Amino acid sequence: GESVGLHLPTLSVQEGDNSIINCAYSNSASDYFIWYKQESGKGPQFIIDIRSNMDKRQGQRVTVLLNKTVKHLSLQIAATQPGDSAVYFCAETYSGNTPLVFGKGTRLSVIA
Amino acid sequence: SQTIHQWPATLVQPVGSPLSLECTVEGTSNPNLYWYRQAAGRGLQLLFYSVGIGQISSEVPQNLSASRPQDRQFILSSKKLLLSDSGFYLCAWALQGGTEAFFGQGTRLTVV
Repeated sequence: GESVGLHLPTLSVQEGDNSIINCAYSNSASDYFIWYKQESGKGPQFIIDIRSNMDKRQGQRVTVLLNKTVKHLSLQIAATQPGDSAVYFCAETYSGNTPLVFGKGTRLSVIA
Repeated sequence: SQTIHQWPATLVQPVGSPLSLECTVEGTSNPNLYWYRQAAGRGLQLLFYSVGIGQISSEVPQNLSASRPQDRQFILSSKKLLLSDSGFYLCAWALQGGTEAFFGQGTRLTVV
């Protein structure tokens, strides 16, 4: 079964607002986490990653936060744009030698 | 640069017919290779992964099999398709000991 899950299956935000997508993981041994974006009919695309020795990592308009105490991961998208509309998956692995385990995904809809 | 090719993009097959989906990777050697399946509106379920030629690990019992006849070639097969085999099949690769997985564009399989 899956060890990574999501709190919100769908999320609608106004264009220009910030989006927060949450994810809970159950394997405390996981030490590497990735957020993927999947547009309709396409394969998932890497957004940002974080290792367990960090609690925050920033990219371009995206920030990933990791709370190991409660085994929670979040993806923050600043100034959400229509092109951000997609399904977002979190994934976890242990030391890169185990296949990624994916959560169920959150569909983000941006309202123009 | 590395690229991953997966074909066909779409496939409609009758129940009981055989299946062969092919995935090839270019620009890297000895990658880890993965087959995932994604049901409509669901997350990614790992089916098979391979760490080398002829080495296949199966994650779930099913009507499918995988083979890796060459270093950068990964094939997903079935002798007799079932209706429940319909879905979106994704091939992915990752570096040995690496973490991020890179996905192909997927094959939409419909069994009728």
